[in-house]
Amino acid sequence: GAGVSQSPSNKVTEKGKDVELRCDPISGHTALYWYRQSLGQGLEFLIYFQGNSAPDKSGLPSDRFSAERTGGSVSTLTIQRTQQEDSAVYLCASRGSGGRTDTQYFGPGTRLTVL
Amino acid sequence: TQLLEQSPQFLSIQEGENLTVYCNSSSVFSSLQWYRQEPGEGPVLLVTVVTGGEVKKLKRLTFQFGDARKDSSLHITAAQPGDTGLYLCAGEGEAGGTSYGKLTFGQGTILTVHP
Repeated sequence: GAGVSQSPSNKVTEKGKDVELRCDPISGHTALYWYRQSLGQGLEFLIYFQGNSAPDKSGLPSDRFSAERTGGSVSTLTIQRTQQEDSAVYLCASRGSGGRTDTQYFGPGTRLTVL
Repeated sequence: TQLLEQSPQFLSIQEGENLTVYCNSSSVFSSLQWYRQEPGEGPVLLVTVVTGGEVKKLKRLTFQFGDARKDSSLHITAAQPGDTGLYLCAGEGEAGGTSYGKLTFGQGTILTVHP
């Protein structure tokens, strides 16, 4: 199946280390989103890529967080100098054109635990 | 910043009972989406409503978008144990606004249906 995939599925790291989370969107989808979800809670928007436009970074909680999308496809979310409050599930989603009737398809997420 | 207040946060009911989940905001949304999420997976879209006053039905689930496009409800008739999960509402901002193309999520409702 050609769904959204994320890797790794689980990541345990020590406080202060850097981590990289990967998202492979559905082929041909122009929009890509990163969200963060705490246990049993709603999703918190982090960053949004739409085609070749400059990304909307308005949801990134601090300058330790950054993301890039290479070649309009794969995206990497990087968290530098991780803190315990960064522990959460990080979800990626992609969307066909970004139009309001297009579905966002979510990946299974990466569970990040910062010790 | 757009906010969506979802209630109740927890709902524990017996099989066969009816229930309603609410999402309310002071902001106008171009569309409102409802998702269901299982443990260890990403949210899966149930429905998108785009017109004020719109009602959509999906088997035992009825979704309504408020006339002013600021609120929505999900009603489940004769709940079954298979309905157990996390239900999330999400609104997309209007075209031309800073929230267009991005989803604002409610806090989620954890539904447990007991046999």
